[in-house]
Amino acid sequence: AQTVTQSQPEMSVQEAETVTLSCTYDTSESDYYLFWYKQPPSRQMILVIRQEAYKQQNATENRFSVNFQKAAKSFSLKISDSQLGDAAMYFCAYLSGGYQKVTFGIGTKLQVIP
Amino acid sequence: SAVISQKPSRDICQRGTSLTIQCQVDSQVTMMFWYRQQPGQSLTLIATANQGSEATYESGFVIDKFPISRPNLTFSTLTVSNMSPEDSSIYLCSARQGGEQYFGPGTRLTVT
Repeated sequence: AQTVTQSQPEMSVQEAETVTLSCTYDTSESDYYLFWYKQPPSRQMILVIRQEAYKQQNATENRFSVNFQKAAKSFSLKISDSQLGDAAMYFCAYLSGGYQKVTFGIGTKLQVIP
Repeated sequence: SAVISQKPSRDICQRGTSLTIQCQVDSQVTMMFWYRQQPGQSLTLIATANQGSEATYESGFVIDKFPISRPNLTFSTLTVSNMSPEDSSIYLCSARQGGEQYFGPGTRLTVT
């Protein structure tokens, strides 16, 4: 079974600085998707970024980018120019290419300091 | 992307009663799911809602406690039956389109 590990329960970053959230996963599959979701206090789960395993290029969405290391099974999220609105829980997630259920990590709580 | 709405957004219920949560997606989707999220915890999958057939439940969740309906490709309901305080949680509806998965705003349930 696939597992997703987020080893940082909490992180903090100064406003306008850069922070990296780590995620590792375990799988024997070669075809899969990886996601980062943001959950602010409003509890709405928001898809931040998606990476397809077959793509070597790291995904980027504005201030959010990932460092995808397939051999190391690592999928970190970098947030540049952090804003107060980035404060939230961030969940790393894995989806098999066979489209079975999504496996979530336990989350990292990000605090942004003004 | 799919936009998902849920009703109710929150409710306070007495133990022993049942609550039905509705989930509406603004487009047809292949798969719909129901998750539970305890305070400060990650998401736990309850079941996959199958259109036109019985839902597929994860270990630890049973149909008698969490009956699910999915009459079409855009709508699903989750009922939390014979509630106890341990059922107090956030319940999230989710839908998948291709390789992306979207979530509703959640229903915060408190059982007294």
